[in-house]
Amino acid sequence: DGGITQSPKYLFRKEGQNVTLSCEQNLNHDAMYWYRQDPGQGLRLIYYSQIVNDFQKGDIAEGYSVSREKKESFPLTVTSAQKNPTAFYLCASSIGVGYTFGSGTRLTVV
Amino acid sequence: QQPVQSPQAVILREGEDAVINCSSSKALYSVHWYRQKHGEAPVFLMILLKGGEQKGHEKISASFNEKKQQSSLYLTASQLSYSGTYFCGTEWNTNAGKSTFGDGTTLTVKP
Repeated sequence: DGGITQSPKYLFRKEGQNVTLSCEQNLNHDAMYWYRQDPGQGLRLIYYSQIVNDFQKGDIAEGYSVSREKKESFPLTVTSAQKNPTAFYLCASSIGVGYTFGSGTRLTVV
Repeated sequence: QQPVQSPQAVILREGEDAVINCSSSKALYSVHWYRQKHGEAPVFLMILLKGGEQKGHEKISASFNEKKQQSSLYLTASQLSYSGTYFCGTEWNTNAGKSTFGDGTTLTVKP
């Protein structure tokens, strides 16, 4: 079955550490996205990519980085510069008619 | 600019109806709706592209007004399974390449 796989489901980060969240899709979608969701709030766009080897900053890109070396993969790195990284992170892909979301990664700073 | 969803929360009994609105200060290219269960990924419900368009999905339907500045999601004869948070996602133009989401409407259906 086609879909988006995010891993890990839960991730704990120590202060000052960089961590990488994985996002893989087998839907053959060109566009991929990373959103952050805080409790009781909506989805805020971190980065997006419409094509391999190209990506753009979203509304809250500071403290995050991404790469898009393959069509199927769009990993997100949460760097130590992100001061408040505890949140639910959602990866999505699209072919232009709505989004398909992964099951999310819940990141907690310890 | 973020679309405004209303109401923020609604509580229903099984079998009752609800309407959730998604409003923009300027005309949109598209609106799409999602439902998210607690701790899970949002699930795509439907997308509306044309002013005056109406779409249905079982007992859940949506409309997009003529000016393309407001969309409404209609849930009729609600079931317990309809509980969750509903989000609208909006795009300003066909080349936007990204969507902006409302803050969500939490729907609770009680027996």
